[in-house]
Amino acid sequence: AQRVTQPEKLLSVFKGAPVELKCNYSYSGSPELFWYVQYSRQRLQLLLRHISRESIKGFTADLNKGETSFHLKKPFAQEEDSAMYYCALSGVRGGGSNYKLTFGKGTLLTVNP
Amino acid sequence: DTEVTQTPKHLVMGMTNKKSLKCEQHMGHRAMYWYKQKAKKPPELMFVYSYEKLSINESVPSRFSPECPNSSLLNLHLHALQPEDSALYLCASSQDPLAGGLAKNIQYFGAGTRLSVL
Repeated sequence: AQRVTQPEKLLSVFKGAPVELKCNYSYSGSPELFWYVQYSRQRLQLLLRHISRESIKGFTADLNKGETSFHLKKPFAQEEDSAMYYCALSGVRGGGSNYKLTFGKGTLLTVNP
Repeated sequence: DTEVTQTPKHLVMGMTNKKSLKCEQHMGHRAMYWYKQKAKKPPELMFVYSYEKLSINESVPSRFSPECPNSSLLNLHLHALQPEDSALYLCASSQDPLAGGLAKNIQYFGAGTRLSVL
């Protein structure tokens, strides 16, 4: 079974502080990992995926297969980063698992001025 | 056009009503999805259509009936719903995730239909 755990329901930081949103996963094999973000009153949108290995809006995430983690990091948080962040996993074995996005429960990030 | 469009934005219905939610995309995606999202919870997958055929039904009650009339449209027909079915219903689309290659299984979400069942 595939599972995604985000241990922090709420995370509050001050503007300019570093931020790390934790994500751990359980999957037999090598899954594809994503971070999705949902700003207030906006649609759920992809922030980044591990395959791309890119930085979006200053955020990065590295897949650590040994620790089965995919933590999201940003060195200097901005107020506009306040949002709900979901870590998600997709299978890569083919069949139905490729279609299923398993979401973590989400972390609500608040960046205070 | 890189958007998934859902109508209506809001819907209030009684338990004996029949209504439909609509979803449209013009990105040429061949997989379309319905999710249910309760407040402050992650989306939960309901149905997946691939090439206009139902691929996945996550044991959803029969009072929810999906339909994919063509590759751009996805409907969700609602009948005899219960108050606990009140939620945000999200539609998403992706390229064929079985096709391989980068970006094939990135899902693009609509803004959702907020459904209240009285």
